[in-house]
Amino acid sequence: NAGVTQTPKFRILKIGQSMTLQCTQDMNHNYMYWYRQDPGMGLKLIYYSVGAGITDKGEVPNGYNVSRSTTEDFPLRLELAAPSQTSVYFCASSPQAVSTQYFGPGTRLTVL
Amino acid sequence: TQLLEQSPQFLSIQEGENLTVYCNSSSVFSSLQWYRQEPGEGPVLLVTVVTGGEVKKLKRLTFQFGDARKDSSLHITAAQPGDTGLYLCAGAQNTGNQFYFGTGTSLTVIP
Repeated sequence: NAGVTQTPKFRILKIGQSMTLQCTQDMNHNYMYWYRQDPGMGLKLIYYSVGAGITDKGEVPNGYNVSRSTTEDFPLRLELAAPSQTSVYFCASSPQAVSTQYFGPGTRLTVL
Repeated sequence: TQLLEQSPQFLSIQEGENLTVYCNSSSVFSSLQWYRQEPGEGPVLLVTVVTGGEVKKLKRLTFQFGDARKDSSLHITAAQPGDTGLYLCAGAQNTGNQFYFGTGTSLTVIP
């Protein structure tokens, strides 16, 4: 099993550009999460999903969108990138609510 | 606002020393997890505690959940360079489907 995979690993965007961060898990987990990690701030939840077709906002959803058309995939869309979105983004999955989360390796995004 | 505060934020110690990391909140949590994150990787779960006063041991690591389920501590005995990393606590409340992560403690163990 590959676990949770994320692409790309690194990306530089210009202000106003858009992009999609990809996340795929092969563990058949219903729950999936997107976090951003800024220095000294731990992890902040952006969006999460409890199953295909169901998504909900986390603590910091503004400027992002998600979709969950399959159990395996949970892409994160950035529209009109801003410097404040410079961060490391982690995708995670878990078999149940508030159980062990399995994290991907992260995507380091810089917006200039 | 940060629901969970960790202290210290940074810790640098010599190999063989003992240390304690704290995770505090004014809120009650139904469960609390500790993760370790190495540079360039995602966090990896170390332990989950669910009962007030619960103590769990994982080799040289001892985790405790406060009696009121508002705080937790991680104690490492005889630290080794392999313990170096970012330690994160994460708490879940009875309502909702998410964990709230703490601010993190960056530990460096010097050989």
